[in-house]
Amino acid sequence: KNEVEQSPQNLTAQEGEFITINCSYSVGISALHWLQQHPGGGIVSLFMLSSGKKKHGRLIATINIQEKHSSLHITASHPRDSAVYICAVAGEKLTFGTGTRLTIIP
Amino acid sequence: NAGVTQTPKFRILKIGQSMTLQCTQDMNHNYMYWYRQDPGMGLKLIYYSVGAGITDKGEVPNGYNVSRSTTEDFPLRLELAAPSQTSVYFCASRSTGTYEQYFGPGTRLTVT
Repeated sequence: KNEVEQSPQNLTAQEGEFITINCSYSVGISALHWLQQHPGGGIVSLFMLSSGKKKHGRLIATINIQEKHSSLHITASHPRDSAVYICAVAGEKLTFGTGTRLTIIP
Repeated sequence: NAGVTQTPKFRILKIGQSMTLQCTQDMNHNYMYWYRQDPGMGLKLIYYSVGAGITDKGEVPNGYNVSRSTTEDFPLRLELAAPSQTSVYFCASRSTGTYEQYFGPGTRLTVT
């Protein structure tokens, strides 16, 4: 069993839908990192959070330390949100989740 | 600031050749990392460094070497390229005060 699990592995949705990607972890945590990778592209840091909730534009990340669970939400999804979303438990090194491939259909 | 830069962007190597992938950051970060990402797969840590002169192995260090003579630079050396090293290589860095890593644009390497 991976130390960091993401669900779903793949997600296809219509433009405008509300998207939720889940991340559960079994290891000790200093912080949780959400990353985005477009097809054939680089890796962009979206959020780093250790408690509560953060918002940036249409993206919202939450974390529940007691339940060892984090979620990434996208409101009013757009085709340009199509990417792989990766959560990673952060410490001296990152422990990566398996990634969620999101496709938004116009 | 340029952030984390990597050169080259693309490279094709023949089996047995050697090369160095360059990584430079201008953010004065102490921590630097090298990852590889095989097609359709996740990131795997090759080597990392917590500061100049200090390096340590990650999950998949075999076939690679690193050095960290300055804070800014963290080159990755492939001595005898093998087809199994065909991958996209990402360099990343972070400061001591945060766990947030900043990634370079990647180097796509093909070994044939």
